Amino acid sequence: DTAVSQTPKYLVTQMGNDKSIKCEQNLGHDTMYWYKQDSKKFLKIMFSYNNKELIINETVPNRFSPKSPDKAHLNLHINSLELGDSAVYFCASLLAGSYEQYFGPGTRLTVT
Amino acid sequence: AQSVTQLGSHVSVSEGALVLLRCNYSSSVPPYLFWYVQYPNQGLQLLLKYTSAATLVKGINGFEAEFKKSETSFHLTKPSAHMSDAAEYFCAVSDPPRGSQGNLIFGKGTKLSVKP
Repeated sequence: DTAVSQTPKYLVTQMGNDKSIKCEQNLGHDTMYWYKQDSKKFLKIMFSYNNKELIINETVPNRFSPKSPDKAHLNLHINSLELGDSAVYFCASLLAGSYEQYFGPGTRLTVT
Repeated sequence: AQSVTQLGSHVSVSEGALVLLRCNYSSSVPPYLFWYVQYPNQGLQLLLKYTSAATLVKGINGFEAEFKKSETSFHLTKPSAHMSDAAEYFCAVSDPPRGSQGNLIFGKGTKLSVKP
C-alpha cells in the first residue's frame, strides 16, 4: 500500500509542451506539497495545499499551476515547458500537528 | 528567514566507522529541525525530528542527532556505519520555525559513501 504515489515516474517531453504530474495520498492527510529537486539535488518548496486551499505559493513561474480535485490529490500542471524545468518533482503530504512530511517517489521530468 | 547549512557535500567513511554529518541552522527562534534520507532514485524518508522536546533525538536505523542551541547545530551521528547507509542526507528546518504546517527549507544535502 503506497502512502504517497506519483504518476508518471518518468516524463520526457519537448519544449513548449504542456504536461501534468499526478499525486495521490491515502493517508488522510490535510496538507500536500510539491517540491522541485534540481540537478544538484537541491530541494525547494513550490506549492502546498491545505483542505483544497493554496496556503504557500513560492515564486515559481505562473506556467506552473497546482490543482487539487479533492483532499487526497494534488496535481501539478506545467504549461509551455522550458529546458530549465527539467528536474525531479516530489509530492509530499502532512498530517496536521505531526510535523512529518511523507514524500512520494518522485517524477523525473526531462525537457528536450 | 530560516536557513540551513550542511558542511561537506560528500562524506566518506569505512564500514563500522562513526558517521558524522554536520548541520547548522539560522533562525530567529529555535526552530523545528529534521533529517531526511534519500536513497538513489527514491523519495525522501524522515530519519528523525526535533520539535523542542528532548535535545538528543533518536531516529531510525541507529541514527541520532543532538540539538545544540548555543552552537545552532543539529548534527547527525551513527556509531557504526553500514553499507546500506550510503545515501544522500538532508537537514531541514521548518518555516515558520515552529509551524506544524509550514514548508521545509532544506540544506544542500550531504552524500554519504561507505567503503567496505
